Amino acid sequence: GAGVSQSPSNKVTEKGKDVELRCDPISGHTALYWYRQSLGQGLEFLIYFQGNSAPDKSGLPSDRFSAERTGGSVSTLTIQRTQQEDSAVYLCASSLGGLAGGSGRSFNYNEQFFGPGTRLTVL
Amino acid sequence: KNQVEQSPQSLIILEGKNCTLQCNYTVSPFSNLRWYKQDTGRGPVSLTIMTFSENTKSNGRYTATLDADTKQSSLHITASQLSDSASYICVVSANSGGYQKVTFGIGTKLQVIP
Repeated sequence: GAGVSQSPSNKVTEKGKDVELRCDPISGHTALYWYRQSLGQGLEFLIYFQGNSAPDKSGLPSDRFSAERTGGSVSTLTIQRTQQEDSAVYLCASSLGGLAGGSGRSFNYNEQFFGPGTRLTVL
Repeated sequence: KNQVEQSPQSLIILEGKNCTLQCNYTVSPFSNLRWYKQDTGRGPVSLTIMTFSENTKSNGRYTATLDADTKQSSLHITASQLSDSASYICVVSANSGGYQKVTFGIGTKLQVIP
């Protein structure tokens, strides 16, 4: 079946503009994650959605960043008033289950499948 | 200090040669460890997953080892191919209050040259 898709693949914007990045998770996956990967850095957790629960926003770097997930499927990451330091690859991942690692579940339950990412360049 | 440290940061090897990538972690309580391969311009793809009781796991030419006592893992690539050129990311999950916290290493950038 189809994997995680993201759009656009590349986005160039001017400093101060707002951008929206889209993620289509794998159908049936209840958990969705956004990460940022800056050049030479590891993946930085941004936000995590699990079903109808309130999202874990603990990784968002500032209030310019927000995300929503409509209907438990598609998610949009919005960056307002972009800054040059926002330039990075933004990766979305989905998993069958969330980060709840209760006993009895397969460890593959929360394997994250990643999209190709959106490369954001802020000039 | 990152709780998942990988070494080397980058590596260049000749096609056909073997190599070993290292991952040391301090994340606890340990749940599982995954190695991901990330091709340039693509998202990471899971290669192996290891739990506390597993010492070694293979996936084709990739063999991962885990020493939960010393909190070290390695990924050994045998008979490297040009297509192995990628970043290899170690990811450690820890259980905390019934939830899992996932920590990513920075990755090792491998380049296989002819």
